[in-house]
Parts: sequence; C-alpha cells; structure tokens
Amino acid sequence: DTGVSQNPRHKITKRGQNVTFRCDPISEHNRLYWYRQTLGQGPEFLTYFQNEAQLEKSRLLSDRFSAERPKGSFSTLEIQRTEQGDSAMYLCASSLLSFADQETQYFGPGTRLLVL
Amino acid sequence: AQSVTQPDIHITVSEGASLELRCNYSYGATPYLFWYVQSPGQGLQLLLKYFSGDTLVQGIKGFEAEFKRSQSSFNLRKPSVHWSDAAEYFCAVGAWGNEKLTFGTGTRLTIIP
Repeated sequence: DTGVSQNPRHKITKRGQNVTFRCDPISEHNRLYWYRQTLGQGPEFLTYFQNEAQLEKSRLLSDRFSAERPKGSFSTLEIQRTEQGDSAMYLCASSLLSFADQETQYFGPGTRLLVL
Repeated sequence: AQSVTQPDIHITVSEGASLELRCNYSYGATPYLFWYVQSPGQGLQLLLKYFSGDTLVQGIKGFEAEFKRSQSSFNLRKPSVHWSDAAEYFCAVGAWGNEKLTFGTGTRLTIIP
C-alpha cells in the first residue's frame, strides 16, 4: 500500500492555459474525492467518484472544471482557461466504501497550482 | 448544512507542555468526526476519527480527542507536545450517506523550545 499519489506536485501556468492533474488512489479503494484548498483555509469539497461513476459534481467551481475516472482507478482533474483565482492546492483523497466499516478518506500530497 | 468551527487560528505552546485544540461542529444527524494534520506543503494525514461508541478516541502520535454531543465539540488533546508536532490541524465532519467532508479553517500550531 503506497498511499494516494498525485502528479504533478507543483504546476505553474499562465492565465488562459489548460492544466490537468492526476490522482492514483489506494489500490483497493472504490471512492475518490477531489478537494481544493486555498491559503489559510481548510479543504473544500469539489467532486467525488464511486468506481467510475461521478456521483456529485455540483460543487465543481465552474464549467471550466471537469473530472474523470475512466476505469475506476486513477482520476484526472482538468481546469480549462485557468484564471489567477484558480491558484490553490488541489487535494485528492480515496476511501473504501463497505457495509462492514465506516468510510475514512485518505489524502494524497496535493498538487499546488500557481496561475500567473 | 454541516459546518465546523475552529476558533483558534494560531496557538503557541512550549515543548513538553500539554495541548488542546478546539473544534465545534454543526450537523443535524449523528456526525462522523475527524482530525487531520498538515505539514507545510503537504497533504493531510489522519490523526484520529470518531464514528460511534467510546467518546474518547485515541489516535496516532499520542493524540486523543473527546466527542461531547451536548457541547457539539470534538477537541484534540496531547499531554506533552514535541517540536515535530508543529503543523496545521484540521477538524472535519462527515456522516453516513453524506460523502463529502466539511473542514474547519484550521489551527496552526507553533512549538517553542
């Protein structure tokens, strides 16, 4: 068990460019979450998947944000036409939903985005 | 809607002293409660969690927390802090059937020698 991994760890981009982040969850976990954390704040929920189905996406910040989890394993978060206000840490978490145990989310190291 | 309040933005304690970080939550049903710790530039590490049962829960690194339903609180404690405990601490609330976690704004802990 290597934990949740995220790539890249840092991304600097110019305003208007598109960026894509990848998250690899803990291997047996069936749920995957994306959060955004701005400076001085706690993480803010964006969206989540159960296997390959995206069950909640109303919290995605605008239609410039999209996420996929095509085979129920890794996930990508894309931001199109980035704006300076998108600068933040993007965190991924995964969990195992089962009826035998309560769900606990385990977080990756995050991708820090800076939009110039 | 659920919410979490961490009233202390920044706390400074001496190494070896005891620590208590406050967390108050608002949630209509039975909450699941978590404490996570974040070192600078890093992701969140789970310290401990409460789902049900014994209201005093033990976590990693010598931390414990007590769930008090009457006070809607879930305060984090450690009897003797170490310099390596310096970090940002986040309290979060969730629930069965409510998959997203709602976090507080965090408490930054500074340790002085």
